[in-house]
Amino acid sequence: EAGVTQSPTHLIKTRGQQATLRCSPISGHTSVYWYQQALGLGLQFLLWYDEGEERNRGNFPPRFSGRQFPNYSSELNVNALELEDSALYLCASSLGRTSGVADTQYFGPGTRLTVL
Amino acid sequence: SQQGEEDPQALSIQEGENATMNCSYKTSINNLQWYRQNSGRGLVHLILIRSNEREKHSGRLRVTLDTSKKSSSLLITASRAADTASYFCATSGGATNKLIFGTGTLLAVQP
Repeated sequence: EAGVTQSPTHLIKTRGQQATLRCSPISGHTSVYWYQQALGLGLQFLLWYDEGEERNRGNFPPRFSGRQFPNYSSELNVNALELEDSALYLCASSLGRTSGVADTQYFGPGTRLTVL
Repeated sequence: SQQGEEDPQALSIQEGENATMNCSYKTSINNLQWYRQNSGRGLVHLILIRSNEREKHSGRLRVTLDTSKKSSSLLITASRAADTASYFCATSGGATNKLIFGTGTLLAVQP
């Protein structure tokens, strides 16, 4: 069974540009999460989508947005890129919020975003 | 902001020795999970322990949870060079499902 996949692996942008990162969850999972791992800041929760809706958002500016498609894949958009947005962006998936179980989150390999 | 603190920040041991990592957190939780990360790549899920469990085993891994002290420990027995990685604890609570990660322990296993 395929795990969580993310694309691209690496992305280089310049300040002020927009970045789009993509994630495909494990088959059967309806929840997708995005996390940022920046140097010195550790792993921080960004967004949670379930059944196409944004369910929760971390402490990030509105420049960070996303969506979940009907096939449960997801996209993270970062507008007006700043140097400090350089980080590894990790996507995770789990069974949906109505599954009634303590959900293990399975992570993809990440997208390394570099802002110059 | 980070909720969890992990101790030690770094640990270096010889192959065959046991490695123990500790995690402390601040608020009530539904469950606690441990993950491994190799060289800045994705996170590999190791084990999940629910708030009503005190100990769990998986292969060479043993996890304990003390909710009264808001702490957890991960023991890796008979370590191997391939266990060299960063290890993170992550908690979830309430209805948000988001994971709050600890600061991580960098484990180096010398062959």
